[in-house]
Amino acid sequence: SQKIEQNSEALNIQEGKTATLTCNYTNYSPAYLQWYRQDPGRGPVFLLLIRENEKEKRKERLKVTFDTTLKQSLFHITASQPADSATYLCALGDYSSASKIIFGSGTRLSIRP
Amino acid sequence: NAGVTQTPKFQVLKTGQSMTLQCAQDMNHEYMSWYRQDPGMGLRLIHYSVGAGITDQGEVPNGYNVSRSTTEDFPLRLLSAAPSQTSVYFCASSYSIRDTEAFFGQGTRLTVV
Repeated sequence: SQKIEQNSEALNIQEGKTATLTCNYTNYSPAYLQWYRQDPGRGPVFLLLIRENEKEKRKERLKVTFDTTLKQSLFHITASQPADSATYLCALGDYSSASKIIFGSGTRLSIRP
Repeated sequence: NAGVTQTPKFQVLKTGQSMTLQCAQDMNHEYMSWYRQDPGMGLRLIHYSVGAGITDQGEVPNGYNVSRSTTEDFPLRLLSAAPSQTSVYFCASSYSIRDTEAFFGQGTRLTVV
């Protein structure tokens, strides 16, 4: 069955360092991949989308890569700040059906001052 | 512009009771969906709609009904609540069914006792 794994449940990073989160998938050939941020008690908020024919996307301090051979996406936050502390979700989708959008369980990122 | 509004934010039900979770969006989005989020698991798609009068099942539809009489509203009905339906429910909308960002509501935390 289709499966998404996000590298760990929690990640602790020193402020100013680069945080790198991993999203691995199996038994799926997604057309695109999204990253969302979720704060406690809130709904997810969209951050970035990358398509299968794109290797890398950037937005301010955020960078996403998508390797369809390795079946992996990396999400980087450079110059991390305590305000970046949140849970980050990856989601995969294809163009055939909305029911094939799959979310990972998320990685809780903590940035310590 | 309120985005996606969900009510109520919290609800406790007794086993066997029924209720409706409300969802409304003011962005004129055609695509709306309902997810549930359980600890350690990703968001799982319950039902979705690609426009008024059109709905379809997602990954975990059993025990839930939906209807879409207007573009703005997409209520989720629990027919006979069970403890297994204890979860956080999120409504989302997007401009398109494919590779566009989803806007999520703040969620409804439901407990079935």
